[in-house]
Amino acid sequence: SQQGEEDPQALSIQEGENATMNCSYKTSINNLQWYRQNSGRGLVHLILIRSNEREKHSGRLRVTLDTSKKSSSLLITASRAADTASYFCATDNGNDMRFGAGTRLTVKP
Amino acid sequence: DAGITQSPRHKVTETGTPVTLRCHQTENHRYMYWYRQDPGHGLRLIHYSYGVKDTDKGEVSDGYSVSRSKTEDFLLTLESATSSQTSVYFCAISEGDRTYGYTFGSGTRLTVV
Repeated sequence: SQQGEEDPQALSIQEGENATMNCSYKTSINNLQWYRQNSGRGLVHLILIRSNEREKHSGRLRVTLDTSKKSSSLLITASRAADTASYFCATDNGNDMRFGAGTRLTVKP
Repeated sequence: DAGITQSPRHKVTETGTPVTLRCHQTENHRYMYWYRQDPGHGLRLIHYSYGVKDTDKGEVSDGYSVSRSKTEDFLLTLESATSSQTSVYFCAISEGDRTYGYTFGSGTRLTVV
């Protein structure tokens, strides 16, 4: 069964706008990770945030984690057409990693 | 993806036939995983390995077996393929503590007719 669930399932924005995706999960975690998947390709690791961290940045990516609400968000600032992809959150509980069903992001030029 | 390759990339097979998918890594990572990806389900873990000849089941292991005789190779076998096993299969590798996340292969698209 999935651990993380992304919201929304699909998101369409204009180039230059910010994109925000959310992830909710059900059990305690060690860390939460975000991945990107371009069509027909494997997943690519973007960023990891540990359970004792609240916010993390990497380039145009900003991830927040609220363990009290069991939720995380991924913000992509100043989006580009090349950001068009599916984005997945994955929760690591120390034993294994569970993936959500993903958010499909479309960035229109 | 650098350091991990899957073969074949595409395969069509008939119901009831055995099928073996191969994952090969050059990173010398201890952990290897097989996932399947289906619309609406995200990725689901089939089996994983934490060393040569050390494997364990994931959440959707029925109908699948794995083998790891060398650090670099992890094989997934569908013992008798069924249409419900039509999916995209991904192999992933990680260092022990998964601090840097998983590195995924490019996937194998399997169609069972």
